[in-house]
Amino acid sequence: DQQVKQNSPSLSVQEGRISILNCDYTNSMFDYFLWYKKYPAEGPTFLISISSIKDKNEDGRFTVFLNKSAKHLSLHIVPSQPGDSAVYFCAATSGNQFYFGTGTSLTVIP
Amino acid sequence: DGGITQSPKYLFRKEGQNVTLSCEQNLNHDAMYWYRQDPGQGLRLIYYSQIVNDFQKGDIAEGYSVSREKKESFPLTVTSAQKNPTAFYLCASSIDRGRGTEAFFGQGTRLTVV
Repeated sequence: DQQVKQNSPSLSVQEGRISILNCDYTNSMFDYFLWYKKYPAEGPTFLISISSIKDKNEDGRFTVFLNKSAKHLSLHIVPSQPGDSAVYFCAATSGNQFYFGTGTSLTVIP
Repeated sequence: DGGITQSPKYLFRKEGQNVTLSCEQNLNHDAMYWYRQDPGQGLRLIYYSQIVNDFQKGDIAEGYSVSREKKESFPLTVTSAQKNPTAFYLCASSIDRGRGTEAFFGQGTRLTVV
């Protein structure tokens, strides 16, 4: 059973606008959440993370929000750039095991 | 530079043959992982190891085997028992901090059965 879900397989956004990628999880024991960016035929690269004791973490254009009561995680990219076009995976951890969502393919249109 | 190296980048295998994918890291990480990526299915855990000489099955371990004789190395063997081995394989490692750690990935190996 998928413990981390990304229900939107794809998203298209105009350059300069906000991209919002969503992620839901089912396991309340997860204590750390991450977002990864992946280009075709390459390994995922770590983007940003958030601990379960926080509700927001910001790093430049990237902000991750955590709503523990809803078991929901989101990544905001502002402003979106064409180079942000990639597949984004959310992940959750409990101890040393990582659980990944199925990914959302983001296309930023120039 | 520290990092994770997977080799080869592309690998072709005949049906019925075993093949071994290499994964080496010089990050001094305790934990290492193997994932498989298929279109529309995200990353699925094959095996993971938290310490030398110990490893655990993930969600899709059938048809695969691993070893962890050295901290730096975690090779994955795709055996002839794996029914659908054509996929993109990713190796990762992380520091064992108990919580709040990131996984770092290699560049992947594309395995094709011909």
